[in-house]
Amino acid sequence: EVLLVESGGGLVQPGGSLRLSCAASGFSVSSNFMSWVRQAPGKGLDCVSVFYTGGATYYADSVKGRFTISRDTSKNTVYLQMNSLRAEDTAVYFCVRGVDTALGLSLDYWGQGALVTVSS
Amino acid sequence: QTVVTQEPSLTVSPGGTVTLTCASSTGAVTGSYYPNWFQQKPGQAPRALIYSTNNRQAWTPARFSGSLLGGKAALTLSGVQPEDEADYYCLLYFGGAQPWVFGGGTKLTVI
Repeated sequence: EVLLVESGGGLVQPGGSLRLSCAASGFSVSSNFMSWVRQAPGKGLDCVSVFYTGGATYYADSVKGRFTISRDTSKNTVYLQMNSLRAEDTAVYFCVRGVDTALGLSLDYWGQGALVTVSS
Repeated sequence: QTVVTQEPSLTVSPGGTVTLTCASSTGAVTGSYYPNWFQQKPGQAPRALIYSTNNRQAWTPARFSGSLLGGKAALTLSGVQPEDEADYYCLLYFGGAQPWVFGGGTKLTVI
């Protein structure tokens, strides 16, 4: 069974840092591309970062230079290091598995989400 | 900045049929954008429904179908059930500097 479990969310002051973790089970994070998608309160979904199977990464302009995505294959875990946090980073952060199938690209499994609140 | 547009809200009667669409500011949506569709109910994580235009996930009921319609990606719900009331998001793949872009979501009301 595929499971994604996020942790590390919480309340942080503006300018502070947090590291989110996404522990995966039922598959290998090295065999799939992994994404972090966030949802601000009452708003839609926004893809903020992707770690591709070959090691390439993507960051949305809004987080570039402040967030870093990484993976530890020995722990089968993906991380999102968030620095210089701003009020507008307040959101639920979802870890999402991506699959490059014979029929095309699929984002199939989502974690339950980790709430990050940036406030003084 | 690429923008993906969905209907903000739609209403459908139980047992009815409704089509949600997903348009790109870059032009017509094709299969190479690998349209994905997701359902989200209040307080829950999104759940994947459709990938690569018209392929159901293993858990997706047959009443959900995906297609391309008039230059847009489309999600059709046939025989709508009360439990289908939710927010629906599409996702398009553009590659390059802005690979994945979500639509703003459609709030589907079943009454």
